[in-house]
Amino acid sequence: NAGVTQTPKFQVLKTGQSMTLQCAQDMNHNSMYWYRQDPGMGLRLIYYSASEGTTDKGEVPNGYNVSRLNKREFSLRLESAAPSQTSVYFCASSEKGTTSYGANVLTFGAGSRLTVL
Amino acid sequence: QQQVKQSPQSLIVQKGGIPIINCAYENTAFDYFPWYQQFPGKGPALLIAIRPDVSEKKEGRFTISFNKSAKQFSLHIMDSQPGDSATYFCAAAHGYALNFGKGTSLLVTP
Repeated sequence: NAGVTQTPKFQVLKTGQSMTLQCAQDMNHNSMYWYRQDPGMGLRLIYYSASEGTTDKGEVPNGYNVSRLNKREFSLRLESAAPSQTSVYFCASSEKGTTSYGANVLTFGAGSRLTVL
Repeated sequence: QQQVKQSPQSLIVQKGGIPIINCAYENTAFDYFPWYQQFPGKGPALLIAIRPDVSEKKEGRFTISFNKSAKQFSLHIMDSQPGDSATYFCAAAHGYALNFGKGTSLLVTP
């Protein structure tokens, strides 16, 4: 069981370049999330998708776009990368759906380390 | 604005000690309080969680204490082991988004 798979694991970009981080889950989860992790800042939510076809902004959405391609896949796009976007990005998923009540247990991927020069 | 404040930032204890990590929150709408454990190079993984209707929850050597009136909760690790060395994040949630603390780096020395 793969769980949550992120690609690529590492990427170096120049300022102004664009790229897409890919995420796929095989647990039939309803919700998917993108977080960024920076030293001393913890994990901050960029965007989430409560269900296929919906996306919502999190705490730090500026400079990012997302696409919930289908139930399995949720991508994060940087249109014009900036050095401030140097970070480790984590994708996560959870069973929680729009009509379900209960603990929102997130399963995280292994992370994608992005450096913007 | 950090919705969950976590302390200390780092912690060193000897094997067998009981590290305690504290978190505080302001939003009384939060109704789910998990702790995540992260090893280097890995994604965080759920360790233990609590609802605000109970004051304590134990799972193995890990215990959450919850004080609803003070809006504080803490993680205690009993009989800590070197394998517990990791970064620990508290979080609080209402609905989808988990709001994480900044993390505590724990080192358990042999």
